Amino acid sequence: NAGVTQTPKFRILKIGQSMTLQCAQDMNHNYMYWYRQDPGMGLKLIYYSVGAGITDKGEVPNGYNVSRSTTEDFPLRLELAAPSQTSVYFCASSTAGIGALHFGNGTRLTVT
Amino acid sequence: GQQLNQSPQSMFIQEGEDVSMNCTSSSIFNTWLWYKQEPGEGPVLLIALYKAGELTSNGRLTAQFGITRKDSFLNISASIPSDVGIYFCAGLPNSGGSNYKLTFGKGTLLTVNP
Repeated sequence: NAGVTQTPKFRILKIGQSMTLQCAQDMNHNYMYWYRQDPGMGLKLIYYSVGAGITDKGEVPNGYNVSRSTTEDFPLRLELAAPSQTSVYFCASSTAGIGALHFGNGTRLTVT
Repeated sequence: GQQLNQSPQSMFIQEGEDVSMNCTSSSIFNTWLWYKQEPGEGPVLLIALYKAGELTSNGRLTAQFGITRKDSFLNISASIPSDVGIYFCAGLPNSGGSNYKLTFGKGTLLTVNP
């Protein structure tokens, strides 16, 4: 059982570069989320999706974009990377709007 | 937005000791969740609480939904080295909404000395 799979695990970007963080889940969950985790700061919601074709902003969406063309995939796009985007990014999914979130193992991103 | 105050920020204990941590808020929550995150991995749900006063156990872990609906507690009994990790509380506000309104505490880092 793969669950939620995130790639890559690690990435170093230069300021101004762009990249896409990949997230895929094989549990047929409708709800998917992107969080960032900064040391000692807990998890902050970047974007979420309640189903294919539907996305919405979370608490900290600036500098990011998402798309949800299929139920399984929810990529996060960083355009013009900035040092403030250095963080660990977690993708999560849930079967319903309320209930247990299933997290991937994260992508550690450094922007220098 | 909503804020959760989680304490303590960190704990360093001896194997076999009991552990207590808590989350408080100035607002009412209708769901409390407790997650554990091990190094290099994503958070994993430990216990979910949906009713004020509810007391739920999962092995050596026990969590309670405070009567005021503004707090929750997690206790770990007879700690073992594999309990090491960061423990997060998370809550859904009483104003409704689904997981996209989930607020996370800043975490409690637990270290267990064998």
